[in-house]
Amino acid sequence: DAGITQSPRYKITETGRQVTLMCHQTWSHSYMFWYRQDLGHGLRLIYYSAAADITDKGEVPDGYVVSRSKTENFPLTLESATRSQTSVYFCASSVWASGTQETQYFGPGTRLLVL
Amino acid sequence: GEDVEQSLFLSVREGDSSVINCTYTDSSSTYLYWYKQEPGAGLQLLTYIFSNMDMKQDQRLTVLLNKKDKHLSLRIADTQTGDSAIYFCAEEVNSGGYQKVTFGTGTKLQVIP
Repeated sequence: DAGITQSPRYKITETGRQVTLMCHQTWSHSYMFWYRQDLGHGLRLIYYSAAADITDKGEVPDGYVVSRSKTENFPLTLESATRSQTSVYFCASSVWASGTQETQYFGPGTRLLVL
Repeated sequence: GEDVEQSLFLSVREGDSSVINCTYTDSSSTYLYWYKQEPGAGLQLLTYIFSNMDMKQDQRLTVLLNKKDKHLSLRIADTQTGDSAIYFCAEEVNSGGYQKVTFGTGTKLQVIP
């Protein structure tokens, strides 16, 4: 199916474990993003990627690692999960062209609970 | 830096108008957006306005932009129960060649039947 998908949709893990959240988009959008959504903070950008093999930190990157070996995939890894990383994680993609508005298309989210 | 603020909660009766407000800090924003998030789902773009516009109307939605006060509002006419959701405003700023989008904290709209 076309669009942007995330997996898993729900994940429970334990402190110290490594967790990888997957994001896949079928539009060949150049830009991809990872956000976390927490009550009172709205959406905060973790990492973004402008193209394959190009990634950059967002507002809250500590404890997370990303990679972008292929345009369509942008996995997010929590190297050693902590309770403070319990959150809802959203992946988004966009195609940015100079002078035009930047619509971001969001995945359905992954709800992560770290015990 | 960019900072986008919204009130957390708004409750209206079905059929009334809803007005959701947002303030932002970066005067160099290019576009401003309103996204809607329904329960258990990701954000969906509702509408946007270019920074040199004062108003944009799209069916039941009216966006007002006051650049002097850095204030953005979304008015929903004839609010329906299906409009119950969290609404995020966002501003877009050119940041070193990258169009950085900063989201507000979201306003939860509750529509009472």
